[in-house]
Amino acid sequence: EAGVAQSPRYKIIEKRQSVAFWCNPISGHATLYWYQQILGQGPKLLIQFQNNGVVDDSQLPKDRFSAERLKGVDSTLKIQPAKLEDSAVYLCASSLSGRARDEQYFGPGTRLTVT
Amino acid sequence: GDSVTQMEGPVTLSEEAFLTINCTYTATGYPSLFWYVQYPGEGLQLLLKATKADDKGSNKGFEATYRKETTSFHLEKGSVQVSDSAVYFCALFDNYGQNFVFGPGTRLSVLP
Repeated sequence: EAGVAQSPRYKIIEKRQSVAFWCNPISGHATLYWYQQILGQGPKLLIQFQNNGVVDDSQLPKDRFSAERLKGVDSTLKIQPAKLEDSAVYLCASSLSGRARDEQYFGPGTRLTVT
Repeated sequence: GDSVTQMEGPVTLSEEAFLTINCTYTATGYPSLFWYVQYPGEGLQLLLKATKADDKGSNKGFEATYRKETTSFHLEKGSVQVSDSAVYFCALFDNYGQNFVFGPGTRLSVLP
């Protein structure tokens, strides 16, 4: 079974530029999560999708971050414009249905450096 | 709001030593509790979980018991190996608020 795929693995941009990350979850997983993990901290949930609908985006900085999950499969997370404090690893995870008993499977992450 | 607190690292142990990593939580509802592990260069993986009070999760020699009275979920292993060197994250899923919260992580280094 293929795991969660993310690209790119690394990205370096200047502040005020825009950037997009892509995630392909495990086939058949209805729930998709985007997390931000700042160095030395635990992952922070940015947004959760159930199929192609948003379940929770309460911690997504909506003035600069956006995410979509077209057709309930792949997802993209965009930052526009980026700030220095956005430097972090962006993790995508998926689970079968989003219930607590369903394990979340994490991708390798995209490491973003904003200079 | 919900939160997870872990003991600060790094934790450095010799091989075959006993491991405890403390984790306590605050939650609005009745959470499910998890330990995730991140090995060097790899993604986060679920290590073990417990969904209700007094449940014990176990995997790969690691154990943690859901203690509602002390709001804790401490991770233990009787004899650590060099291959256990990783960052360990305690996390909760709040079944009431339906949100997932991670602790800050504890880095474990096991020396041969």
